[in-house]
Amino acid sequence: EIVLTQSPGTLSLSPGERATLSCRASQSVSSSYLAWYQQKPGQAPRLLIYGASSRATGIPDRFSGSGSGTDFTLTISRLEPEDFAVYYCQQYGNSPRTFGQGTKVEIK
Amino acid sequence: EVQLVESGGGLVQPGGSLRLSCAASGFTFSSYSMNWVRQAPGKGLECVSYISSSSSTIYYADSVKGRFTISRDNAKNSLYLQMNSLRDEDTAVYYCARNPYSSGWYELDYWGQGTLVTVSS
Repeated sequence: EIVLTQSPGTLSLSPGERATLSCRASQSVSSSYLAWYQQKPGQAPRLLIYGASSRATGIPDRFSGSGSGTDFTLTISRLEPEDFAVYYCQQYGNSPRTFGQGTKVEIK
Repeated sequence: EVQLVESGGGLVQPGGSLRLSCAASGFTFSSYSMNWVRQAPGKGLECVSYISSSSSTIYYADSVKGRFTISRDNAKNSLYLQMNSLRDEDTAVYYCARNPYSSGWYELDYWGQGTLVTVSS
C-alpha cells in the first residue's frame, strides 16, 4: 500500500499570501495518478487537481499542481477567503487507492 | 448538473446491518464507475468500495471485505452499499463518489453530501 504523507499538518497564512502544500509518497505513483481535493467543514471533498497537474472543471487558475514520482505539490498562488480549508492528496495509480492525512490551511 | 444524494444512514448496534443508497442525476449513470468513500469523525478519507459501470469489476478495502456488498441498478440510476456485521470502527460519514470513466482507477470528480452511519450500543 502506498502511504501518502502530507506536510505541513497546518499552514497559517493571510489572505493574498501563497500557499505551498506537499504530498510525499512511500513509493513512486504510477503515471502521476495523483489528485488533490479541498474539503470545508460539513461539506464533501471537491476535486481540484487530477493527473498531478490538471485542474478540474471550474477550478480557478490560482490552484496549480506539480510533481512526479514520489513528490507532489499543490500551490495556491494568492489565498482567497474561501480557500481556507483542509486539502487532501490521493493516489489512484496503485491498489488500494489511498489518501494523505490532510493539510489544514487556516487564517493567520 | 451532476447530483449524488445519499440516504440510509443512522444509528445501528454493533453486529447490525444497514443499507445505504445513492441516487444519481444529471449524467448518464450507466456510463460511469462509482465508489463509496468514508470519513470517520475528525479523520481522513478511506476508499471503501468500487464498482465499474457494468458491475463487472468490484473492489473492497480489506477493512470491509466479507462484510460490505456494493451494487448498482443502472435502470434506477442508483448505487447501494449493504453493510453487515457492523463494528464501532465503521462509524463514519459515507460518501458516494463518481469516477470520470466507466472503469479503472481514476480521480473522484463528483461527490454526494454524505450520510452518517453511527455504530454504537
